[in-house]
This record gives sequence, C-alpha cells and structure tokens, in this order.
Amino acid sequence: GDSVTQMEGPVTLSEEAFLTINCTYTATGYPSLFWYVQYPGEGLQLLLKATKADDKGSNKGFEATYRKETTSFHLEKGSVQVSDSAVYFCALSLYIPTFGRGTSLIVHP
Amino acid sequence: DAGVTQSPTHLIKTRGQQVTLRCSPKSGHDTVSWYQQALGQGPQFIFQYYEEEERQRGNFPDRFSGHQFPNYSSELNVNALLLGDSALYLCASSGGSGGTQETQYFGPGTRLLVL
Repeated sequence: GDSVTQMEGPVTLSEEAFLTINCTYTATGYPSLFWYVQYPGEGLQLLLKATKADDKGSNKGFEATYRKETTSFHLEKGSVQVSDSAVYFCALSLYIPTFGRGTSLIVHP
Repeated sequence: DAGVTQSPTHLIKTRGQQVTLRCSPKSGHDTVSWYQQALGQGPQFIFQYYEEEERQRGNFPDRFSGHQFPNYSSELNVNALLLGDSALYLCASSGGSGGTQETQYFGPGTRLLVL
C-alpha cells in the first residue's frame, strides 16, 4: 500500500539556521503531496502542497518540490524562527490520505 | 468564518463503553473525513463521508461507524471501546463550494482516554 517515510526527530536548530526535513513516499500512482504543521495542543494546518511532478509548494518561507524520480518531497526553510517549533507531517493523497509519523522541530533562540 | 469545530474537546470512557464524537465542517465544505492520531504518530484515516454516505474507509474495524447529516456535520461512533482506542480523533473537511476535495482543513480534535 501507499506509505510516507519521514526523518525521525526531534530536529533541534538555532534561530536563523537552515531547515531540511526529509520525506519520501511510495505510491502506486501519482499522488498529490502535502506538508502539514501541528502546533502544541492544536489540530493540523496545511502548510503547502504540490499536485504534480516538479511542482514547488511554498508558504511562510517554507518550500518543497515534488520529485517523481526520487519519490521525495523534502521540506526546506532558509531561516527558521522560534515560532516554527512544531511537529511537521508529510502526507500523500491518492485514494486514501496517508500521513508520515511526523518530525518534531525545536528551534532555540 | 468558523473553521472546523469538534466536540467534546476531551472525553474519558471505560472499556466496553460506546462514544460519539461530533464535527462541524468549515463553511462551504461538503466532505468530512475522520482520523485517529495515537500519541507520537501521524493521523490514520478512518473514513470519509460525502452526501451522507461513507465514500472511503481505512483499515479500521466495524466498531468504528459514522454518520453525516444534511447540514454536512458528522458523527463518529466507536462501540465496545478498547484501551487501544485512546487517541486524538481529528475531523477534517474539504470540497464543496469552499475548496477542493484533496485540500483538507482540520479541527482541533477530541482527545479520548479509555480506562
């Protein structure tokens, strides 16, 4: 079946550092890909999405590019802030939505 | 514009009991999906409702059932509760005049504890 694999956390960074959270997927077709963010005590919020190969999703300084050849959708941000501390989920949507296990990001001042 | 709302926020039940969770979708959305999120895990898809019918279902037993009302709100029912049903239950809405089917908006969740 379809699956999503994310790098394990926590990822701990200093403010203004560069962020990469790796995500790879397995799917029988060509899914849409998503990154969601979950702040403590809250539900998931859609961060960005890409619906076809080579699409780049972007929002709030975060970016991710749909790479069909490597089946990846890595999340990047050039300069993280303390307020970016949260859990990030990579997900795909083809027939049944499938989420990764989440990667916790901790940003120190 | 109210987003997705869920009730109650927290719930404590004992094994064998039954529970009903409720969800109101974001304005303009006509599709509701339910997810179970265990501690430290990603959300697991339970099922999706559209036009008052279950359209898709994940790998969950029949103890998990649902309903969608004409106003698009939805209920998740879980019978014969097990300790392993303890989790955060998330509702997400999508579709309709308010968005696309695949872009989901999540509620804050209901945290269920089974003792």
